Amino acid sequence: ETGVTQTPRHLVMGMTNKKSLKCEQHLGHNAMYWYKQSAKKPLELMFVYSLEERVENNSVPSRFSPECPNSSHLFLHLHTLQPEDSALYLCASSQGAGYTEAFFGQGTRLTVV
Amino acid sequence: KQEVTQIPAALSVPEGENLVLNCSFTDSAIYNLQWFRQDPGKGLTSLLLIQSSQREQTSGRLNASLDKSSGRSTLYIAASQPGDSATYLCAVLTSGTYKYIFGTGTRLKVLA
Repeated sequence: ETGVTQTPRHLVMGMTNKKSLKCEQHLGHNAMYWYKQSAKKPLELMFVYSLEERVENNSVPSRFSPECPNSSHLFLHLHTLQPEDSALYLCASSQGAGYTEAFFGQGTRLTVV
Repeated sequence: KQEVTQIPAALSVPEGENLVLNCSFTDSAIYNLQWFRQDPGKGLTSLLLIQSSQREQTSGRLNASLDKSSGRSTLYIAASQPGDSATYLCAVLTSGTYKYIFGTGTRLKVLA
């Protein structure tokens, strides 16, 4: 248990569905991240929030919409996804955005059908 | 653009061997480098973090070194055990960014 909790652990959704991934950290960190891990590809950073403000957005399609209501919670809202969006979505947190140790959650395995 | 490469992609060794995993990066202007372990279908577990001013870090049977000028880091695992079987990832934080760039990992199997 790393102190970063992601729910759900597994999600199957149709291309017309709307769903949300949730991440919660209990470490007192003020930066949170969403990463995507596809088969045989390096982890890709999607979004970074520092003190609840988005500081990085890596050309992610608008069908992925992040939300950070406070420094402990991070959401990823999903709508009209494509099968190629199927992947492991990982949330991470760190004490400061970018220069300290990052701690990861267990991930949400997303399958788009 | 920072690129991170890990060699070998896969490694299979008998139990008890000492082994070295390699990570190289193209831009030496980094804040830090972090080694992670990932078990199949799971999240990442942080193993060691080396700041750019440091040369190495140790934790138990693990030792990570950093040579910033040559763009290299190694993860040394002593007396390997079957429980060490996992994918090992290195990630580099380039100065001036919030972005960790990951390698594709080394998949390690330690045979009993």
